[in-house]
Amino acid sequence: AQSVTQLDSHVSVSEGTPVLLRCNYSSSYSPSLFWYVQHPNKGLQLLLKYTSAATLVKGINGFEAEFKKSETSFHLTKPSAHMSDAAEYFCVVSDPNDYKLSFGAGTTVTVRA
Amino acid sequence: DTGVSQNPRHKITKRGQNVTFRCDPISEHNRLYWYRQTLGQGPEFLTYFQNEAQLEKSRLLSDRFSAERPKGSFSTLEIQRTEQGDSAMYLCASSLTGTRHTGELFFGEGSRLTVL
Repeated sequence: AQSVTQLDSHVSVSEGTPVLLRCNYSSSYSPSLFWYVQHPNKGLQLLLKYTSAATLVKGINGFEAEFKKSETSFHLTKPSAHMSDAAEYFCVVSDPNDYKLSFGAGTTVTVRA
Repeated sequence: DTGVSQNPRHKITKRGQNVTFRCDPISEHNRLYWYRQTLGQGPEFLTYFQNEAQLEKSRLLSDRFSAERPKGSFSTLEIQRTEQGDSAMYLCASSLTGTRHTGELFFGEGSRLTVL
């Protein structure tokens, strides 16, 4: 079975400082990994995806993530946080049959002015 | 708006009542998914349709739950004899098929169920 573990349930940063959200995965296959974001009262939105191409993946709104097989990690980063980045972030792994997603428990990001 | 639409957005019901949620996916998407999300947790897979065929159901989906997607368009999720443990946000998502679209799900805003 495939799963992801988000290492921080809550991250608080100051506006303009870097953001780091940590995710480790467990998979018996070469995984497809994703980050989704959920703003209050909004639907989940795909931020970025890794599917065995380049290990450094760039997403929307300045986010990027690096796939590290040796560390079984897929951490999400952004160089400079903006107030609009305050949201819930989910690390996700895909079933090999590609239709079923397994979500982590989520990391809540708050941004201080 | 051509996104995924879910109705109703909120439903409060008494234990033992039946409830039904509707999902209208993005029109050209042939895959449709239902997930459930409880407070403080990530969404959990419930079931999945390819066109009108329901191809998998999670063990989370007890016999009181039934989902349909007639004609491969909108979908309904019915919960019979609701229990307090059914209180959650029910999320619908849709996607295209193909490896190029792996994991690219478009989610609705969800239907929140509260069972008293």
